[in-house]
Formats: sequence, structure tokens, C-alpha cells
Amino acid sequence: TQLLEQSPQFLSIQEGENLTVYCNSSSVFSSLQWYRQEPGEGPVLLVTVVTGGEVKKLKRLTFQFGDARKDSSLHITAAQPGDTGLYLCAGAPGGATNKLIFGTGTLLAVQP
Amino acid sequence: DAGITQSPRHKVTETGTPVTLRCHQTENHRYMYWYRQDPGHGLRLIHYSYGVKDTDKGEVSDGYSVSRSKTEDFLLTLESATSSQTSVYFCAIRGQGDQPQHFGDGTRLSIL
Repeated sequence: TQLLEQSPQFLSIQEGENLTVYCNSSSVFSSLQWYRQEPGEGPVLLVTVVTGGEVKKLKRLTFQFGDARKDSSLHITAAQPGDTGLYLCAGAPGGATNKLIFGTGTLLAVQP
Repeated sequence: DAGITQSPRHKVTETGTPVTLRCHQTENHRYMYWYRQDPGHGLRLIHYSYGVKDTDKGEVSDGYSVSRSKTEDFLLTLESATSSQTSVYFCAIRGQGDQPQHFGDGTRLSIL
């Protein structure tokens, strides 16, 4: 089983702070996705990264795919209470897009 | 929102009873998925479908069966529910090629 481990598991910060969430694996993934999930709802896709070393920005969120395509990070600048939620990374091992592997999640709480 | 409806949204039942969860889509997407989400495990794939009457097992398929008799509906059945199947169940759909998965809002199932 290919595992995706996320760290930290929980993060509570004040509004305006910066943070980074990590998603690591010993396996290579053809692509990696980041989702955000709010209570009582399903995960919503934020971004997909497909090229080793790729960096994508979505407003205050910066996503990076590791050069070896085994890890990824999500950096949030100047966090806001609206960023609160569960962040999940998910990888498609060997291009098997029908069998996404999900990370264990990072629960972020941004206090006003 | 992607046109995905899960029903019921909440269900409480007893051990040993059969349970069927329904996922209905209005997007005419080929691929449909069932996941379960548990604390510390992220989302884990139960079964998926790649067309009408075409299904395959995921990571945690034991104790579950699925059916897809028409494009828009994907049913998940627990033939004899056990307490270990208490979880939040998510359906997802995906179009062709590299299109991402879109998730429903989940069904919270409690088995007493």
C-alpha cells in the first residue's frame, strides 16, 4: 500500500500567520492533488500538480510538487479564518487515476 | 456544485441489517466512486465504476458490494452491517481523461 503522510495533523494559528502543510511518500506519483474539506461537506479540489518541481499559486496558497514527485507542500500566507478546514493531499500512483490514494489530512483552525 | 446527490444524508441502523446508500449524478460522467472517511485514515476507496455494469474493487472492499445499472446511479450495499462500518461515506464522479474527481456531501452512517 502506497501511503501519503501529512504533517502536521492539527494546526491552530492566529489570523495573519503563515503556515506550511507537508505531504510525503516513499512512492512516486504521476500527479498529486490538494483538496479542502469543510464540516458536513465533501472535499473540494484546490489544485493538481503533475510535473516534478512544479509550483502553482492560488491567491494566498502556494503548492509545490517535489522534484522526485514523492512529496508536496501547501503554503498559506497571511491565513484567514475562511482558510479553516481539513486539507487533504491525494496521489494517483503510476497514473492510475481511478485509485487515488489520500493522505491522512491536516486540520487547520485559524483564529480571528 | 457538481450535480451529485447522496441519499440518505444520515442513517442509524443495527448490526446485521442490510443498508443501501445511493449516489445520483446529473453530469453524465463515466466514472463513479465510493469512499469511506474515518479519523486518522483520510478517505479510502471502497469500489468504483467505469461504466454501466462495470465495477472494480478498491482498497477496503470487504463487506461491501456495488451496482450500477444506469449511468446516473451508483449504489453501495452493506449486506449485513457491522459496527466497524460506521463511517462517513462519500461518492465521487469523474469525467474522461485527466478530469478531477468531484465529491458529494457524504452520508453519515452509524451502526449500533
